[in-house]
Order: sequence, then structure tokens, then C-alpha cells
Amino acid sequence: DQQVKQNSPSLSVQEGRISILNCDYTNSMFDYFLWYKKYPAEGPTFLISISSIKDKNEDGRFTVFLNKSAKHLSLHIVPSQPGDSAVYFCAATPRNYGQNFVFGPGTRLSVLP
Amino acid sequence: GAVVSQHPSWVICKSGTSVKIECRSLDFQATTMFWYRQFPKQSLMLMATSNEGSKATYEQGVEKDKFLINHASLTLSTLTVTSAHPEDSSFYICSARDWGGAEQFFGPGTRLTVL
Repeated sequence: DQQVKQNSPSLSVQEGRISILNCDYTNSMFDYFLWYKKYPAEGPTFLISISSIKDKNEDGRFTVFLNKSAKHLSLHIVPSQPGDSAVYFCAATPRNYGQNFVFGPGTRLSVLP
Repeated sequence: GAVVSQHPSWVICKSGTSVKIECRSLDFQATTMFWYRQFPKQSLMLMATSNEGSKATYEQGVEKDKFLINHASLTLSTLTVTSAHPEDSSFYICSARDWGGAEQFFGPGTRLTVL
């Protein structure tokens, strides 16, 4: 039973264009969401997060949107750069931070020059 | 800040031997550390959660006698893969979280290959 889903295993985008990565979740107890970026043979690095009290959080080229009623969030990267090519994981956790993160399966983003 | 290191970064061992992987939080005190495993082209699978000074909590299906976790201090947790077999070959990643924090900071991972 996958509580966090990333239905697109891969995505290819032209350099300079927008990359949109999607994530859906099923557990209504999830209250805090994060995006991690991972290069091969390296640990994930934190990218951006959003709390359920917000519907948008922006950090430079990265913006995360949260639609709580639809249990859907998305990560927008504008403009996309070749260095953004990586696997992106969506993660969710309940407000009780003693709980673990639940990770989605990841989306491999390829930004083509 | 918030740097987590892992050692070794890669290890090759013979079947039947034990391997210890260290995870250290370098600039903060990690009250909770997590151990993940990642198979090729798959997501991160949580193996266990350890709180400093107490026994680790293992996820369903993870053998606690095979994957020994120790979190003896606020900056160090170790994962020992005992009697390793080729099916234990994987990428092991730790993460750490400080008190009251929601975010996990990940180590660079350890590639284990069991021959």
C-alpha cells in the first residue's frame, strides 16, 4: 500500500523550460512534505519543504505547491538546468515529528541541453 | 551546517563476514537516526529508526539480528550487517534529525557488495 506516489518514473525537459514533478499521497494525517534530490551513488539532499498550513513555498528556482483537498503536491523548477538532472523523491510525515518520513518511489528528471 | 557523514563509502566483503557502517552527525546532535536501504532504481526503504540510548525500532520484514543498529551517542550510529550474503548487497543510507526538527539530513551512502 503506497502512501506516497510519484506516478511518473521519469521526465525529460529541455534546458530553460519548466520541470513539473508530481506527488500524490493517501494518508490524511500527513502534514509536512519535503522534496529531496538524489544523484547516483550519493545520499539525498534536501531541496524544499511545505507545511500543510501553506499552499505554496518558493525558494529560488524551486516552488512547491500543495493542494491538500486533492492530496497532491508538485515541484516546479524554472528554468530547468542540466545540473538538475537527478532523481527527485517526495516525502511526507505527520505533524508528530517523531514519525518517520514516507518516501515516494522517485522521478528521474533529465534536463536536456 | 547539518552535515552527516558515512564510513566507509563503499565496501566489498566475502559472504559470511560482518560489515560495520558508521553514520555521524558532524555539526549537530542527532537524537534520532534512520537507516535506509536502496536497491537500484527503487525508492528509499526505511530499515530502522534509532533514538540515542535506546533500542532501534525495526520496520516490518527487517531482521534485527541480521542488521544490528547501535546509537550510543548523539553523533554516532552504526549499522552492522552480520553474516552478509550476496542478497544484502545494496546502497545503505543513514539520515539524522535533531531534537524538535522535522527535516532529516542524509549521509552520502555506503555501497555494500557481498561476493
